[in-house]
Amino acid sequence: DSGVTQTPKHLITATGQRVTLRCSPRSGDLSVYWYQQSLDQGLQFLIQYYNGEERAKGNILERFSAQQFPDLHSELNLSSLELGDSALYFCASREGLADQETQYFGPGTRLLVL
Amino acid sequence: AQSVTQLGSHVSVSEGALVLLRCNYSSSVPPYLFWYVQYPNQGLQLLLKYTTGATLVKGINGFEAEFKKSETSFHLTKPSAHMSDAAEYFCAVSNTGNQFYFGTGTSLTVIP
Repeated sequence: DSGVTQTPKHLITATGQRVTLRCSPRSGDLSVYWYQQSLDQGLQFLIQYYNGEERAKGNILERFSAQQFPDLHSELNLSSLELGDSALYFCASREGLADQETQYFGPGTRLLVL
Repeated sequence: AQSVTQLGSHVSVSEGALVLLRCNYSSSVPPYLFWYVQYPNQGLQLLLKYTTGATLVKGINGFEAEFKKSETSFHLTKPSAHMSDAAEYFCAVSNTGNQFYFGTGTSLTVIP
């Protein structure tokens, strides 16, 4: 158990819909990262937050957005969903910003868009 | 920009045989290197990491990796494969302060 929690575990929805994925980082961790894992794209970095502020952006679509709240939990919002958005979405947390710090991953949310 | 290359998307070994999973990185500055393992339907779990100091790093479950700067490599090894080692393995590099760069993963199959 990494200490990172994600809800829900599974999500089935239809094209065009909007969903919200939730992540609670390890206690004390200020950095939260979001990743998308699909069979054809591998593990893709989406976005990072540090202590409530957006810190880095990766391959995140404009239809996707995220935020980190004062209690440090984070939400990833996916809108106008397409079939290709079906994937595993992982959240990871890290204590701070030091390069050598380990990222701890949650169990993921499996999204299926029908 | 950093990148990570994992040679061999699928590796099969016999139970008890040596496991060797290859990882090469490109980085303009000394990197921090990580190996993660992902079991089916689970998140990624840290196996080991190299930050500074000794270039041979020991991790969990009998795995180790050696940082070779001259070869820009960080290959993962285990002397004797066990059935429970069957999983997906990811190499990652971090030296930007904000992002991890993951390889495409190597799926390890252990043949009884």
